[in-house]
Amino acid sequence: KAGVTQTPRYLIKTRGQQVTLSCSPISGHRSVSWYQQTPGQGLQFLFEYFSETQRNKGNFPGRFSGRQFSNSRSEMNVSTLELGDSALYLCASSLANTNNEQFFGPGTRLTVL
Amino acid sequence: GDSVTQMEGPVTLSEEAFLTINCTYTATGYPSLFWYVQYPGEGLQLLLKATKADDKGSNKGFEATYRKETTSFHLEKGSVQVSDSAVYFCALIAGGSYIPTFGRGTSLIVHP
Repeated sequence: KAGVTQTPRYLIKTRGQQVTLSCSPISGHRSVSWYQQTPGQGLQFLFEYFSETQRNKGNFPGRFSGRQFSNSRSEMNVSTLELGDSALYLCASSLANTNNEQFFGPGTRLTVL
Repeated sequence: GDSVTQMEGPVTLSEEAFLTINCTYTATGYPSLFWYVQYPGEGLQLLLKATKADDKGSNKGFEATYRKETTSFHLEKGSVQVSDSAVYFCALIAGGSYIPTFGRGTSLIVHP
């Protein structure tokens, strides 16, 4: 079974631009979560989607948004990029049940100049 | 709220040394507990898990036991290898939740 895939793997943007990251979950997984990982803040939860609806949300500004499609693929968008948005963005998928472990993709490394 | 506390890193060991990475948690109810590993340049991979008190999770020589009385889930390995160098994350999912709470991660460096 193929794992979680994320595209692109690397991105370089400048302040003020916007960016869209893509995630394809493991087949059969209907929950997709996004995380931001930085050396200073560690792993921070952005949001979780299930059945095309945002089910859980972390404490990030509205510049961070996401969506999920009917095939469970998900995208996240960051508008008006700031230098502090430079991070590894991780996507994870899981079965829809509670208490289930998450399966992570390799991440997208975003650098904002 | 729920929280996970891991020992500060980096942990530096010689090959074949014994490893312990401490993890304690605070949660309501009966959470499921996990250890994830992140190798350089990669995402997190599930290493092992335990879903109820006294359960022992194990994988690739790593072990951790769910200790409800001490709210701990310490990771151990009897003999580490250079290839075990990575960042290790302890995590919990509280009962009825979909989203894990992660610790800050502990970097392990193993020298030949």
